[in-house]
Amino acid sequence: AQSVTQLDSHVSVSEGTPVLLRCNYSSSYSPSLFWYVQHPNKGLQLLLKYTSAATLVKGINGFEAEFKKSETSFHLTKPSAHMSDAAEYFCVVRGNTGGFKTIFGAGTRLFVKA
Amino acid sequence: DVKVTQSSRYLVKRTGEKVFLECVQDMDHENMFWYRQDPGLGLRLIYFSYDVKMKEKGDIPEGYSVSREKKERFSLILESASTNQTSMYLCASSPGTGLSGANVLTFGAGSRLTVL
Repeated sequence: AQSVTQLDSHVSVSEGTPVLLRCNYSSSYSPSLFWYVQHPNKGLQLLLKYTSAATLVKGINGFEAEFKKSETSFHLTKPSAHMSDAAEYFCVVRGNTGGFKTIFGAGTRLFVKA
Repeated sequence: DVKVTQSSRYLVKRTGEKVFLECVQDMDHENMFWYRQDPGLGLRLIYFSYDVKMKEKGDIPEGYSVSREKKERFSLILESASTNQTSMYLCASSPGTGLSGANVLTFGAGSRLTVL
């Protein structure tokens, strides 16, 4: 069985400070992992994906995530927040066998203060 | 640059009405999906299709049906809308035959449905 837990429903940072959005997953098999971002009144946009290549994955807009199998984590980070990063972020796990079921986390809303 | 288009951004319907949500993709993707998004629950899969005229139930298919008569179009149908179907509905597509684990989903902008 697969599951994904986003540990924070809301995160608030000041502009120019680091961003950390936490995600833990559970999967019986080696999964594919994704982060998506959703700006207000928009659809979801892919930030980055992990598919069993390099464990440190770089995405768009300066975001990156590290796959840590021992901790079953896939946290999203950015060194310096920008006002335009304010959005909702979804961690997603997708199995590579057994029907390739896609599971979305509940989302983390990022607030960026000026 | 729009790749997945949902025809209605906002709809208001009355209980018992039949509702059609249309989704069109221009990327020649085999797989198409309908999700609903509710606060605190993330996205939940309603139905998906991996080929024309093929459909599979997702996690919450009750009260919904779908139609895929052409590769580029995937319609979600609420036969008799109810207030608990008030939600944001997101259409997505992905390439490839089968449902390869690494395939990326491309989403539409969403359709916000209110049922009174």
